[in-house]
Amino acid sequence: QQQVKQSPQSLIVQKGGISIINCAYENTAFDYFPWYQQFPGKGPALLIAIRPDVSEKKEGRFTISFNKSAKQFSLHIMDSQPGDSATYFCAARPNTGGFKTIFGAGTRLFVKA
Amino acid sequence: GAGVSQSPSNKVTEKGKDVELRCDPISGHTALYWYRQSLGQGLEFLIYFQGNSAPDKSGLPSDRFSAERTGGSVSTLTIQRTQQEDSAVYLCASSLGGAGMDGYTFGSGTRLTVV
Repeated sequence: QQQVKQSPQSLIVQKGGISIINCAYENTAFDYFPWYQQFPGKGPALLIAIRPDVSEKKEGRFTISFNKSAKQFSLHIMDSQPGDSATYFCAARPNTGGFKTIFGAGTRLFVKA
Repeated sequence: GAGVSQSPSNKVTEKGKDVELRCDPISGHTALYWYRQSLGQGLEFLIYFQGNSAPDKSGLPSDRFSAERTGGSVSTLTIQRTQQEDSAVYLCASSLGGAGMDGYTFGSGTRLTVV
């Protein structure tokens, strides 16, 4: 089973701080790496995504860093706000076999006011 | 519609009963996925439909689970003879499909409780 390993399981950050969530994937052909944000009682929502030919992508306070050789990617949330408190999932989509996305186990982020 | 719609939002059923969960994807999205999320856990892939192709059922946990997609649109996930371990949130997602820079749009899920 292809896997995406996500850490930490939970994270507490002070308001204004930087939240960092890390993911690693195994030796397979993934071509798309999205991050999803999930609030309680809601389905996950696409937050930001990157292709493996790009090392970094920034959208507002959210940045994905991608290290293809290490098979690792991470989400940085700058100037974290209490409204960012949610569960974050990294994911990877293979470029074969039907394109079904594989998700990490999730990180519960709590931003203290 | 504007988003992925799932119904019911909550379902409580007795052990051994059958349940049907419905998903109405975004119009024009050819790909439809079902995932299961147990309390505090990640997303477990169940089944995937793409256009008129045979569905990818590789994630269905047992033969009590089945799904269909009619007319390339609405999908129904059926769980027969429900067990307590089937209690979870069942999420449906749709996408344009294929290899594009295209993420999923999820519904809000159906919270299934088997008592």
